[in-house]
Amino acid sequence: DMKVTQMPRYLIKRMGENVLLECGQDMSHETMYWYRQDPGLGLQLIYISYDVDSNSEGDIPKGYRVSRKKREHFSLILDSAKTNQTSVYFCASSLGAHSDYTFGSGTRLLVI
Amino acid sequence: AQSVTQPDARVTVSEGASLQLRCKYSYSGTPYLFWYVQYPRQGLQLLLKYYSGDPVVQGVNGFEAEFSKSNSSFHLRKASVHWSDSAVYFCVLRSNTNKVVFGTGTRLQVLP
Repeated sequence: DMKVTQMPRYLIKRMGENVLLECGQDMSHETMYWYRQDPGLGLQLIYISYDVDSNSEGDIPKGYRVSRKKREHFSLILDSAKTNQTSVYFCASSLGAHSDYTFGSGTRLLVI
Repeated sequence: AQSVTQPDARVTVSEGASLQLRCKYSYSGTPYLFWYVQYPRQGLQLLLKYYSGDPVVQGVNGFEAEFSKSNSSFHLRKASVHWSDSAVYFCVLRSNTNKVVFGTGTRLQVLP
């Protein structure tokens, strides 16, 4: 079953704590993405990864960094989380930048 | 720069009624257009896509969309909605440089 898996599904962190969001895919897709979804704003691209150790900033990278050491895993890291990073984070993957996306189910992050 | 506008944040229809969700885009080149659906607490799933050719494209679960270059639109339609169609629908544009822009979404509520 081809899928994108995100862990954890729900997370509560205090302001200033570090946050690690994990994403895995079993389709050997080259390209992976991190988006955040906020009410009234749709999805905004944080980072895109074209393959292992080949990452590029998206539209809103500030306050985030990513790591991709294996093709099937793409992590989003928040160093010293802020309350305005409370959001739903979606990971997606695609065979290439031209291909359709497969989305994970999201991680709902609350920073208090 | 490209943009996508979904003018209706919420749409409510009765079960069995017809449906149209509106999408307008702004892009000077040839757009690739998509509709995604997001069910509660899930990721986005592809409904249909348009690249070229017949402006009316068929998708899953009886959905279709019509591309209009003259109107810069890509409206989603369904002849008869079911309560299970209640979800958030996103119109998405991908440029020929692979820049992806999401609309802000339309929340559809189908009343029994």
